[in-house]
Amino acid sequence: GAVVSQHPSWVICKSGTSVKIECRSLDFQATTMFWYRQFPKQSLMLMATSNEGSKATYEQGVEKDKFLINHASLTLSTLTVTSAHPEDSSFYICSARVGQAANSPLHFGNGTRLTVT
Amino acid sequence: QKEVEQDPGPLSVPEGAIVSLNCTYSNSAFQYFMWYRQYSRKGPELLMYTYSSGNKEDGRFTAQVDKSSKYISLFIRDSQPSDSATYLCAMTLTGGGNKLTFGTGTQLKVEL
Repeated sequence: GAVVSQHPSWVICKSGTSVKIECRSLDFQATTMFWYRQFPKQSLMLMATSNEGSKATYEQGVEKDKFLINHASLTLSTLTVTSAHPEDSSFYICSARVGQAANSPLHFGNGTRLTVT
Repeated sequence: QKEVEQDPGPLSVPEGAIVSLNCTYSNSAFQYFMWYRQYSRKGPELLMYTYSSGNKEDGRFTAQVDKSSKYISLFIRDSQPSDSATYLCAMTLTGGGNKLTFGTGTQLKVEL
């Protein structure tokens, strides 16, 4: 079945540093990937839509200069949290659409737990 | 009012019980409905994917959609301890690949 791989699974960083999270589609090509954030006991909130070969589309309230997204190939999207602060500590999850049809379901990676100290 | 309402639980049932999980929503334009299972510290895993109203069955899982009532359900038969997880409903306007709106998730615990 389709597999979406995320790396790292967890990371601890100091305030002010930057962290890069990778999202890969392992057995399919993904022209579009989605980045979500999930706080404890809350649901997933879409942060941005990552499009291969073009700029990402950010949801309202998400700072594009803070959350840099690069989708350089059909199998890799990266999210960089720049100048991280403790309030950025969260569970970041990427997802990808399997298949080209707009009604293809999304599959998710296993997430990256970011802790900023 | 949230677009999607889901009781957060926790819901505790004995092994073998039938579990009923539900979501209500306010936007009648939603057309595609999904149920995801999320274990602790893991990403969501797609369980069921349905379009419009009706039932869909897959093994021990049955998904129901009632668009007239804006109400969706997931039934789990013969529940097992391994079913203990958080169950998230999700829906979208035009297809699963577009923006999903999630419920907050229901935490389920199946006890021996």
